[in-house]
Amino acid sequence: KNQVEQSPQSLIILEGKNCTLQCNYTVSPFSNLRWYKQDTGRGPVSLTIMTFSENTKSNGRYTATLDADTKQSSLHITASQLSDSASYICVVRGFSGGYNKLIFGAGTRLAVHP
Amino acid sequence: ETGVTQTPRHLVMGMTNKKSLKCEQHLGHNAMYWYKQSAKKPLELMFVYSLEERVENNSVPSRFSPECPNSSHLFLHLHTLQPEDSALYLCASSQDYMASGSTGELFFGEGSRLTVL
Repeated sequence: KNQVEQSPQSLIILEGKNCTLQCNYTVSPFSNLRWYKQDTGRGPVSLTIMTFSENTKSNGRYTATLDADTKQSSLHITASQLSDSASYICVVRGFSGGYNKLIFGAGTRLAVHP
Repeated sequence: ETGVTQTPRHLVMGMTNKKSLKCEQHLGHNAMYWYKQSAKKPLELMFVYSLEERVENNSVPSRFSPECPNSSHLFLHLHTLQPEDSALYLCASSQDYMASGSTGELFFGEGSRLTVL
């Protein structure tokens, strides 16, 4: 069964600290993996996309990694800011039943405190 | 302002009411989606339209009825809802529907928060 599991479910850190969010998936065959950021009361916005051949990709203070062998991805946030408080959703694109599919994780809710 | 606009942002309705959610995208995309987002659960895909044709209907109760009059507009008509239907309803669009050459990026609206009493 195609699944995307995210951990932790929620996280509280102090401003300026680093953190790492995890995403494990069982989607096969794999096409790509995308991290979205969802601010409270807003829709999700794409942060970065990882394809099979990519191991690491950065977008400002956000760095995503992908290990296609172990089917794991991480999102590392450096020098956190209050504006990083949001839910982070991992979405894997795979192929199921003859169609391309997007499989969503339940998200990690991050709170950055001053 | 995002490229995908949803109205209303908040809606409270009784179980016997009939209401509609509206979505409009200004991105020139060919595919539009309705998702349901409940607390601590993954987004649930409800309906997909590609070039105004419904291409997916994921076992959604008939009390939810989608309408796509053109490639820029998408509606979700609601009637005789249940309290468990209370959730955030997100509209999204993408350039194409799962085309093999596309990356599958979704552009979301800000959602309609629905409360069913």
